Formats: sequence, structure tokens, C-alpha cells
Amino acid sequence: QVQLVESGGGVVQPGRSLRLSCAASGFTFSLYTMHWVRQAPGKGLEWVTAISYDGKNKYYAESVKGRFTISRDNSKNTLYLQMNSLRDEETAVYYCVRDGDLLTGYGFDYWGQGTLVTVSS
Amino acid sequence: DVVLTQSPLSLPVTLGQPASFSCRSSQSLVHSGGNTYLNWFHQRPGQSPRRLIYKVSNRDSGVPDRFSGSGSGTDFTLKISRVEAEDVGVYYCVQGTHWPPYTFGQGTKLEIQ
Repeated sequence: QVQLVESGGGVVQPGRSLRLSCAASGFTFSLYTMHWVRQAPGKGLEWVTAISYDGKNKYYAESVKGRFTISRDNSKNTLYLQMNSLRDEETAVYYCVRDGDLLTGYGFDYWGQGTLVTVSS
Repeated sequence: DVVLTQSPLSLPVTLGQPASFSCRSSQSLVHSGGNTYLNWFHQRPGQSPRRLIYKVSNRDSGVPDRFSGSGSGTDFTLKISRVEAEDVGVYYCVQGTHWPPYTFGQGTKLEIQ
């Protein structure tokens, strides 16, 4: 079965960096666009970034452009999110999410359990 | 960016009664290819979101048939025919027609009264 397991969350000071990882299993990782979606405590869902199946195309929310970098290693079935210059308001659970396909339907068909990033001094 | 407005924000429902969630878009969600990429998700407290419906009206595998999605253009609805206790939580709509960015509605919280 599809599994997405995030890691790398923790407490970080404002202005510092953190790298999240997402280990994928149960499907052919290299065929799927992948996303990061975040959720601040008690708030709604916010799309952050996406990367195409081959890593060639990357997309970012305006709020993180220039500070966050999404990447993937298809040989390791792993998705990454490098977050630099973190801000207080970016405290959130970060979810690794699969995009889906023609058969399963596009748009966030599987989600990881999330990893909590706390930005605080 | 497309803005999705969900209503109501809170929905108290009696067990066994129907529930209806509205999602309105600031622009048409019909893609140039003809599909409409509007999905619905359910998030129980302390859990990750789970997709229920994709492309307006297609139920995901394992989703009970008491859930149904409908709508077109800018107006969309998720309905539960008979609410069960496990249905509590927050329901979100999200559009993927005009991405990036994907945009979510602010969510509707379903409570049992």
C-alpha cells in the first residue's frame, strides 16, 4: 500500500534552516508529481510547493519562493524540502502528498502523517 | 489566484440526518481540456486529510456511498446523505484547475449536535 513517511521536523529559530524528507513506498515514486502542503496549528491547509515526476519542473507558493527548495531522489524514493530563512508564521505540520494519476484522479490522493516544524526563538 | 469560499464554517448535524457543504470559486474551474479539478477532503481531529471526491463527483476508493459531490463552473456541493459519528471533522474543497497555486477553501467543521 502507498506509504509516505515524513521526517526532519523540529524546533528551529527564526531565520534558520531545516530540511524535511519524505520516504515513499508502495508505488512507483518516479512516475508521480509530489507536493508539500502545510497546516498551521488550528488553521486550514496551504499548498507550499510541487515537483514533477522527473524533478525538472518545480512550483512554489509566492510566500516561500526564493527561500524553500523542493527536490527529489528517485533512486531513493525520497522527496525533500529545504527551508531557509524560516519565519515564525511558518510553524506548521508539513505534509508530503502524492498528486495522483489518470486512474486514481489528480490532486492529493495520498498524504503522509505530517511532520511538525516549530519556528521559535 | 483562485479563491474558494466554503459555507457554512460550522455545521451542527444530528446523527442520521443529511449534511451539505458548499464551495464557491472566484472563477470557473472548468479546465481548457474540459475537466473540472475540484476535490473534497475530510480531516478528522489529529489526523491527516483524506480525499473523498475528485473531479467534482468521483468517489475515492473506500469512500462510503453516502458521500456525493456535485456542481459545475463556480458552485460545488458535497453531501452526506446520513451523517454518522465518524464523519465529524473538517471538510475542505481544493481546486487544481488553475495551478500553481493549488488553493483550498477555509474548511467547514462538521459537529454532531
